[in-house]
Formats: sequence, C-alpha cells, structure tokens
Amino acid sequence: GNSVTQMEGPVTLSEEAFLTINCTYTATGYPSLFWYVQYPGEGLQLLLKATKADDKGSNKGFEATYRKETTSFHLEKGSVQVSDSAVYFCALDYSGGGADGLTFGKGTHLIIQP
Amino acid sequence: DAGITQSPRHKVTETGTPVTLRCHQTENHRYMYWYRQDPGHGLRLIHYSYGVKDTDKGEVSDGYSVSRSKTEDFLLTLESATSSQTSVYFCAISDPGTSVQNEQFFGPGTRLTVL
Repeated sequence: GNSVTQMEGPVTLSEEAFLTINCTYTATGYPSLFWYVQYPGEGLQLLLKATKADDKGSNKGFEATYRKETTSFHLEKGSVQVSDSAVYFCALDYSGGGADGLTFGKGTHLIIQP
Repeated sequence: DAGITQSPRHKVTETGTPVTLRCHQTENHRYMYWYRQDPGHGLRLIHYSYGVKDTDKGEVSDGYSVSRSKTEDFLLTLESATSSQTSVYFCAISDPGTSVQNEQFFGPGTRLTVL
C-alpha cells in the first residue's frame, strides 16, 4: 500500500541552523507530494508541494525536491527561526487529482531555540 | 484562509454516548474529509465525501458514520463513543476540479475526550 515515512523527533536546533527533515514514500504510480505545517493549537497549513519528478516546491524559505529515484521529498531550510517551531507533516496524494484523501507521515516536531 | 469552521472545538463526553461533530465550509468545495490525529500516527482518514449524499470510507472508519445533506456541511457521528476515540478531529476540503494536485485545506480541529 501507500505510505510515508519521516523522522518523528523532536528535532531541536538553534536559531539560524540548517534544517533537513527527511521524508520517503512508498506508492504506486506517480503521487503528488506535500509538506504541511501545524503550529500549536491550529490546523494544518500547506507549506509546499510538488507534482512530478524533479519538481521543487518552495515557500517561506523552505524547499523540497521530488526525487523519484530515491522516492524522497526532504524538507530543507537554510536558516531557521524560532517562529518555525511547529510540527511538519509529509503527505502524498496517490489518487492523481482524485479525492481519496491524503496519506500522511507521523509528523516531525521541530523546536528552534534562540 | 479557507472558510472552514468546526464545532464544537472541545468536547468531553462519557463512554457509550453519541457524539456529532460538525464541519462547515463557505468555499463551495465539492470534497470534504474527516481525519483524526493521534500521537505516533499522524493524520488518518476516517471518511470522505465527494458530493451531497455521496460518501466513502477511509482507513479508520469503524465506529464512525458521516452525513452530507448540503454542500457546506459534513457531519461526523460517533454512535457510541469509546475511549479509543479520544483524539483531535480535523475536517478538510478540496476541489480537485480547480487543483490537480488535490490540495486540501484544513479546519481548526475539534478536541474530543471520551471518559
């Protein structure tokens, strides 16, 4: 079946450090890939997305590249801020534009210390 | 922000009682979803709807039912709540006809505690 694997954390970094959160997936076909972010007490917000191999999604200084050969979609940011502290979810859509729901990883709790 | 509200935002109930959670949207999106979020599990799909009166089961549908009588409302019912249904419930919407990437927009969540 379809699945997403990501490091759960917590991941603790100092402000201005480089961030990588790994995400790998298992899916048939060519899913679309997403990163969502959840701030404390809130719902999920889409951070970035990619729909095909070698696409790079980017937003708010975060980037992720869809790597079909390694079935990965790692999230990176060059210099994190305290305000980036949140839970980050990697997700895939296997229905190819349909509506069968998203498959999520377990989430990575990121803590940025000043 | 997408116009999605959930009610109630918090609820404490007892085992065996029925509970209904409501999701309301003002975006006129065709698809609506209910997920539950639990530590160590991420989000898991309970049920979804692809139109008025059209619903289907997700990964963890046992013990839950849904109804959608209007485009804007999607109800999740726990017929007889159990402690294993203590969770945070999120509603989401999407409109695949306008976004081939099936981007979903999430509500603020409902925290349900079953004692």
